[in-house]
Amino acid sequence: EAGVTQSPTHLIKTRGQQATLRCSPISGHTSVYWYQQALGLGLQFLLWYDEGEERNRGNFPPRFSGRQFPNYSSELNVNALELEDSALYLCASNSILSGIRDTGELFFGEGSRLTVL
Amino acid sequence: KNQVEQSPQSLIILEGKNCTLQCNYTVSPFSNLRWYKQDTGRGPVSLTIMTFSENTKSNGRYTATLDADTKQSSLHITASQLSDSASYICVVSVNSGGYQKVTFGTGTKLQVIP
Repeated sequence: EAGVTQSPTHLIKTRGQQATLRCSPISGHTSVYWYQQALGLGLQFLLWYDEGEERNRGNFPPRFSGRQFPNYSSELNVNALELEDSALYLCASNSILSGIRDTGELFFGEGSRLTVL
Repeated sequence: KNQVEQSPQSLIILEGKNCTLQCNYTVSPFSNLRWYKQDTGRGPVSLTIMTFSENTKSNGRYTATLDADTKQSSLHITASQLSDSASYICVVSVNSGGYQKVTFGTGTKLQVIP
């Protein structure tokens, strides 16, 4: 069974540009979570999508946005990039419909490394 | 405010030695606590999960303990190996309206040296 897949693995942009990151959850998972991990820091919650809707949002400016598609894949958009947006962006998925609903385990992808110059 | 604090922030140990990582949380109402291992530049991977009624759980050389009264957990690594070098993240879940809301600790960065 394929795990969570993210693309691209690396992305280099310049300040002011826009970046789009993509995530495909594990088959059968309906929830997708996005986290930002700046170098040497912990995971900061960005966005949570479930069944196509945004369920919760972290303390990030509106230029961080995203969406979830009918097939439960998701994309994260970052507009007007700033230098401090350079980070590893991790996507995770889980399902509230399967047996792991009670454990809440998150399955993470390998991340997309965004570098803003 | 729900918080998860981990200590130490970083740790260097010799290969073969044991170590213990700590996690204190104020998250409420508690659902479960999970330890993740994150290799540098990779996504975190779950090591153990503990619910309210569990005190100890082992996964190979990793043993997690939970004291729900004091809201403390520890992760003990026995006979460390070079491959144990990673960040270890404590994650506490709250069951809210049928969904699991998670709070991440900032992690402990472990370096095992030969």
